[in-house]
Amino acid sequence: DQQVKQNSPSLSVQEGRISILNCDYTNSMFDYFLWYKKYPAEGPTFLISISSIKDKNEDGRFTVFLNKSAKHLSLHIVPSQPGDSAVYFCAASATEPGYSTLTFGKGTMLLVSP
Amino acid sequence: NAGVTQTPKFRILKIGQSMTLQCTQDMNHNYMYWYRQDPGMGLKLIYYSVGAGITDKGEVPNGYNVSRSTTEDFPLRLELAAPSQTSVYFCASRWLMNTGELFFGEGSRLTVL
Repeated sequence: DQQVKQNSPSLSVQEGRISILNCDYTNSMFDYFLWYKKYPAEGPTFLISISSIKDKNEDGRFTVFLNKSAKHLSLHIVPSQPGDSAVYFCAASATEPGYSTLTFGKGTMLLVSP
Repeated sequence: NAGVTQTPKFRILKIGQSMTLQCTQDMNHNYMYWYRQDPGMGLKLIYYSVGAGITDKGEVPNGYNVSRSTTEDFPLRLELAAPSQTSVYFCASRWLMNTGELFFGEGSRLTVL
């Protein structure tokens, strides 16, 4: 049972345009969400996070939106750059005691073409 | 500041062999994790630890063992390697229990033939 779903295995975008990566979750206990970027042959690196008390968090070109009622979050990259080409993982956790792990989605491979 | 260091980066094992993947972090994090990544399958949690001497199973613990004798080290032991354990393994750590980012190592690619 996948608790964090990234339904698009891949996404292609032109340089300068907006990239929108989507993530859905099913566990209503999740209240903290993160996005990770992964290049080939490297470990995932943290990109941006959002707590459920917010519906938006912005860091430079990256913005994460959270819709709690729909159990949906999205990562917007504007403008997209070729160096953004990577696999993006959505992850979720709960701040309740006993939840000490992150649950990851399967990832979306983003390709930004010049 | 090295962060999370994993060794070896690559290894080929024969079926039935055993080995240990090493993981060390120098950030004084209490929380450490082992994930495996199979193609198209995301990251699945194998084992985790909330502090020295305390470990617990994740989603896919069968065929693996861990120990946590110090804050810095969290080795993953594969006993009787099987082809199904062919994967890329990532060790990670973080400071806070259920918020804050995970810091990942570069990964260890294991092939079992």
